[in-house]
Amino acid sequence: SQTIHQWPATLVQPVGSPLSLECTVEGTSNPNLYWYRQAAGRGLQLLFYSVGIGQISSEVPQNLSASRPQDRQFILSSKKLLLSDSGFYLCAWLGRENTEAFFGQGTRLTVV
Amino acid sequence: AQRVTQPEKLLSVFKGAPVELKCNYSYSGSPELFWYVQYSRQRLQLLLRHISRESIKGFTADLNKGETSFHLKKPFAQEEDSAMYYCALSGTSYGKLTFGQGTILTVHP
Repeated sequence: SQTIHQWPATLVQPVGSPLSLECTVEGTSNPNLYWYRQAAGRGLQLLFYSVGIGQISSEVPQNLSASRPQDRQFILSSKKLLLSDSGFYLCAWLGRENTEAFFGQGTRLTVV
Repeated sequence: AQRVTQPEKLLSVFKGAPVELKCNYSYSGSPELFWYVQYSRQRLQLLLRHISRESIKGFTADLNKGETSFHLKKPFAQEEDSAMYYCALSGTSYGKLTFGQGTILTVHP
């Protein structure tokens, strides 16, 4: 069966520090992968999506970047965190044959 | 541009009462609409989708294109229904989802 792993679950980082959140998927190949963020008082917002290795599309301008070095690995990064980067980050995948998205457990990021 | 609006951030009902979580959308084409749910300490997961026209855990949702709505309904709420509910729309390619702000449903005993 397919599973999705996302870590860490919580993270407290100082302003200006780098960030790396990792997401891996098991049990499927060539999935569409997504990074969503929920900021305080707002809904889930799509940040990046990827349809294949090395293919990244950004939905909103921001301080973050994403990479897909392997078929089932999706990484969210920042060189220098801002206070406004605080939020709840969710990784998700979508199989080619269906329209149901499967989500990771999420990472609660607090930038202090 | 596509948008999903959930006007109620919080909704409280008593066990056995009917519940309706509102969702309105704007999209120029033919959207696919979903309800996702997140129970305490669990992952966000799909509850139902409009193309399936099914009832899941007693919940139903009908797509009303005239009113651009996709309200989630259950005739008799249960305590275990307490959760965060998100309405979502998929209109473009690549399976990208546009979410509403979410509604926290609390069902009191």
